[in-house]
Amino acid sequence: QVQLQESGPGLVRPSETLSLTCTVSGGSISTYHWSWIRQPPGKGLEWIGYIYYSGSTNYSPSLKSRVTISVDTSKNQFSLKLSSVTAADTAVYYCARGTIVGATSRPSPFDYWGQGTLVTVSS
Amino acid sequence: QSALTQPASVSGSPGQSITISCTGTSSDVGAYNYVSWYQQHPDKAPKLMIYDVSDRPSGVSNRFSGSKSGNTASLTISGLQAEDEADYYCSSYTSSSPLDVFGTGTKVTVL
Repeated sequence: QVQLQESGPGLVRPSETLSLTCTVSGGSISTYHWSWIRQPPGKGLEWIGYIYYSGSTNYSPSLKSRVTISVDTSKNQFSLKLSSVTAADTAVYYCARGTIVGATSRPSPFDYWGQGTLVTVSS
Repeated sequence: QSALTQPASVSGSPGQSITISCTGTSSDVGAYNYVSWYQQHPDKAPKLMIYDVSDRPSGVSNRFSGSKSGNTASLTISGLQAEDEADYYCSSYTSSSPLDVFGTGTKVTVL
């Protein structure tokens, strides 16, 4: 059974960089697309971006200038960095796996999710 | 990139059927058969219920079904059960962004 687990600081100061890691267990990170999705308290879902196991990425146009997603296949992990954070970046951050439909690996939909981690931006 | 429009809330009695709409545009829902639906219980991660408009992942109850007409996709829950009480989000591929757009979310209440 594939499991995803987010880890990282729960509190980040304004203007600093938010850093999270997602560890994948029960399966290989290879072949799939891996995403970060966030949800501000009481609000809806926002797709931040994704990375293919080979390293190619795609980011939300609204966050592109501040986001970096990277992958470490040797550790079965992928990571998120979001720079220059403000209170508007306070959210539960989820990591998730894209699915394989037929023989095609797709960035979405997301068939496995981490439990989510709340990151609060505050001084 | 505007979110897809969903009703804020939908309710029904146990055993009834309810339908949640997801309205987009000719650049997303209307153009592609890549609409997904997620169920989210409080303080839990979303769960994939429907993908590619009407396909169900293994293990998802056949009480959940999806459809699409024009720019509007729909999720129908038949035989409503107490455990179906949750938030539901649609998402769609869009030509306006490299990433799918999510819906605004619908809270389903079982009366």
